[in-house]
Amino acid sequence: QKEVEQNSGPLSVPEGAIASLNCTYSDRVSQSFFWYRQYSGKSPELIMSIYSNGDKEDGRFTAQLNKASQYVSLLIRDSQPSDSATYLCAVTGTYKYIFGTGTRLKVLA
Amino acid sequence: ETGVTQTPRHLVMGMTNKKSLKCEQHLGHNAMYWYKQSAKKPLELMFVYSLEERVENNSVPSRFSPECPNSSHLFLHLHTLQPEDSALYLCASSQELTQGNEQETQYFGPGTRLLVL
Repeated sequence: QKEVEQNSGPLSVPEGAIASLNCTYSDRVSQSFFWYRQYSGKSPELIMSIYSNGDKEDGRFTAQLNKASQYVSLLIRDSQPSDSATYLCAVTGTYKYIFGTGTRLKVLA
Repeated sequence: ETGVTQTPRHLVMGMTNKKSLKCEQHLGHNAMYWYKQSAKKPLELMFVYSLEERVENNSVPSRFSPECPNSSHLFLHLHTLQPEDSALYLCASSQELTQGNEQETQYFGPGTRLLVL
């Protein structure tokens, strides 16, 4: 089993819709969870971090964490074409982040 | 701009060459990281430094040699690389190592796109 699993996509949503990105992880002791956005040919940039169960909102982005189910998600409301990118889920392990392979999101104008 | 810079941005080298990648962070962070990103694979952690001490070496081949002369600078020395080493090499930094809080948020540099011929 992969340590961090994401559906590679592409996930296609129409402009203005809600995009839902999901991530599961295997290490129960992980404490911190991050979502990064990576445009093609660019480096990852931090979108959201979440440390406690529940929802955390920041503008159009909402991160949701359920440690019992070992599940973290990212919702993007009012999706824009500029949101088209690969979204990486990262989970902390000892001294390090463990990344998923990323989900490619395409927002159709 | 994240406050982490990397040079060069692009590098083409032959298998017998020796080159170095440089990373500099202007954030006052104590931890720095090297990652390798290949197509269709997750980011692979290569090395972790905390306060200039290496704390993680993920079974990386000896043809990759890191150096951390101070907490603001990190180098990756390359020699006798193989074509499969072609990838995007990313440097990142964080205030502290993993503690389960905001201080471990990692900020990435723009990366060095490496092609080994």
